[in-house]
Amino acid sequence: DTEVTQTPKHLVMGMTNKKSLKCEQHMGHRAMYWYKQKAKKPPELMFVYSYEKLSINESVPSRFSPECPNSSLLNLHLHALQPEDSALYLCASSQDIRTSLGYNEQFFGPGTRLTVL
Amino acid sequence: GENVEQHPSTLSVQEGDSAVIKCTYSDSASNYFPWYKQELGKRPQLIIDIRSNVGEKKDQRIAVTLNKTAKHFSLHITETQPEDSAVYFCAAPREGSTLGRLYFGRGTQLTVWP
Repeated sequence: DTEVTQTPKHLVMGMTNKKSLKCEQHMGHRAMYWYKQKAKKPPELMFVYSYEKLSINESVPSRFSPECPNSSLLNLHLHALQPEDSALYLCASSQDIRTSLGYNEQFFGPGTRLTVL
Repeated sequence: GENVEQHPSTLSVQEGDSAVIKCTYSDSASNYFPWYKQELGKRPQLIIDIRSNVGEKKDQRIAVTLNKTAKHFSLHITETQPEDSAVYFCAAPREGSTLGRLYFGRGTQLTVWP
């Protein structure tokens, strides 16, 4: 299995809702990432997990809460979002975060298209 | 942090022509330079990458060149086809305190006209 999967594909939520995005990979990768991508913009890094520990938080608002229950799964819990949070949320994984060892090729999932009303 | 600049932002070519997209980076410690292709509504997909110990890498119609002294790298697509139309992103990571962070360029919308 060489794919990263994400669910749901689309999500519409109100500003008072709580929802979660899910990401899964079975490639044995030990680094997993959440990115946010607005239309016609590059992906922006939000969080990095390395060996199931949060390694990077790019000053993301606390209404986004990541979770890595095990080495194959990555969740993003959403609460009290704003309309400007509407975007494509991409999950990615790589064998390791260290580029010097040649492990940093990142494989992206198909994304969750989030709309906040 | 790393600053990756990408040019041009849009590029239109006739089918069969070549296309070149350039990126510059600021961190001399960067040692890995991937290029991603993102078709409309799809995920970014790695098409080619290069490490700092080589100056050029080729895969069929796609090549990447790296100039470490000048801190720039370029994507070359030869014999372009309509299915090459997409947004292309370059990226560069930074080792050290921000291990794992991939900095993306702003993207180039490539359109190949039949």
